[in-house]
Amino acid sequence: AQSVSQHNHHVILSEAASLELGCNYSYGGTVNLFWYVQYPGQHLQLLLKYFSGDPLVKGIKGFEAEFIKSKFSFNLRKPSVQWSDTAEYFCAVNARANQGGKLIFGQGTELSVKP
Amino acid sequence: NAGVMQNPRHLVRRRGQEARLRCSPMKGHSHVYWYRQLPEEGLKFMVYLQKENIIDESGMPKERFSAEFPKEGPSILRIQQVVRGDSAAYFCASSDRTGVSEAFFGQGTRLTVV
Repeated sequence: AQSVSQHNHHVILSEAASLELGCNYSYGGTVNLFWYVQYPGQHLQLLLKYFSGDPLVKGIKGFEAEFIKSKFSFNLRKPSVQWSDTAEYFCAVNARANQGGKLIFGQGTELSVKP
Repeated sequence: NAGVMQNPRHLVRRRGQEARLRCSPMKGHSHVYWYRQLPEEGLKFMVYLQKENIIDESGMPKERFSAEFPKEGPSILRIQQVVRGDSAAYFCASSDRTGVSEAFFGQGTRLTVV
């Protein structure tokens, strides 16, 4: 069965610190990869996505992620976080062999940025 | 350009009652997905529907839960005889096509069973 693992459940950083959130998935086939962000009380918003091509993907708000196929990983990075980045971050995988756009989500990582 | 609309935002039900959650997809989207987020957990896929068809219901509990997406009107997730364990946030997402595509999420319905 497919699964997605986010190793950090809660990360606390000071403003301007660098961020890296881990995401690993288990699936042997071709995948589409996503990072979503959920600000307090709001819906999930897409940060970035990888379908094919350059494995280094740039998203909104200065976020980027790198797809490393050999490690089944899609880690999220940001060089310098801001207080407004405080939110919960979800990694998600869509197995292309699946029907439709069904997503398998990781458990989420709660990021708290101290001003 | 309205996004995915879910209502109600908050729903309180007593044990044994029925809960109906509605999802209106983005304009032009004919694919709808329902996810459940239990406390302290990530989102879990429940069901994938296209207009008038259930495509994948592998994540739906076998009993009490049903979903539909009629030709006209919103998609409905129905939970009969709710129990405390059904308390969760239920999110709907829609996309314009199958396969490689981006799904847009609604704000969710937070169901509390008392």
